[in-house]
Amino acid sequence: DQQVKQNSPSLSVQEGRISILNCDYTNSMFDYFLWYKKYPAEGPTFLISISSIKDKNEDGRFTVFLNKSAKHLSLHIVPSQPGDSAVYFCASHGWGTSGTYKYIFGTGTRLKVLA
Amino acid sequence: NAGVTQTPKSRILKIGQSMTLQCAQDMNHNYMYWYRQDPGMGLKLIYYSVGAGITDKGEVPNGYNVSRSTTEDFPLRLELAAPSQTSVYFCASSTSRGGEGYGYTFGSGTRLTVV
Repeated sequence: DQQVKQNSPSLSVQEGRISILNCDYTNSMFDYFLWYKKYPAEGPTFLISISSIKDKNEDGRFTVFLNKSAKHLSLHIVPSQPGDSAVYFCASHGWGTSGTYKYIFGTGTRLKVLA
Repeated sequence: NAGVTQTPKSRILKIGQSMTLQCAQDMNHNYMYWYRQDPGMGLKLIYYSVGAGITDKGEVPNGYNVSRSTTEDFPLRLELAAPSQTSVYFCASSTSRGGEGYGYTFGSGTRLTVV
């Protein structure tokens, strides 16, 4: 069973410091890895992605790192701002071991940035 | 540009009732999806469509039906509501199956409670 795991359900960080959100995956055949951000009463919104052939992608305050040997993905937010408080989902997609295309979401990490 | 529009925003159903969750997108995306999110869980794929007239089952299709008569609309039908269908439902769309790393565009969700 292909899985994407976010083992930390919540994280609190002081404003201005770095937030690090983590994600582990099981299927080495995934093509892309993505992070979504979700505010209450809204749908998830796409934040940043990384191809499986890269190990880092930056977009402003957000950087995603991919460690393929460890099957680990992380999102760094620097500096963290109160408006970053939200639930963050990691996701990945690619061909599953059963030959079907999979797009799988993690369970989410609730980030709270303290002013 | 409205993106993905879902109606209603919330609904309370009695066991055995039926209803249709509406979803419309104005981005001319071929791919559309229905997900459900239960508390503390990731998004689970119910059904998806690769274009008008073509639909397929996702991970958790039981108790639901879909149709795709136009590119814009992708309604989700619940025929005999059960308490297990209490969830938040999200519709999404994309230009391709895996979003090519750019992610899906989600609607704001429909909160359904079955009592």
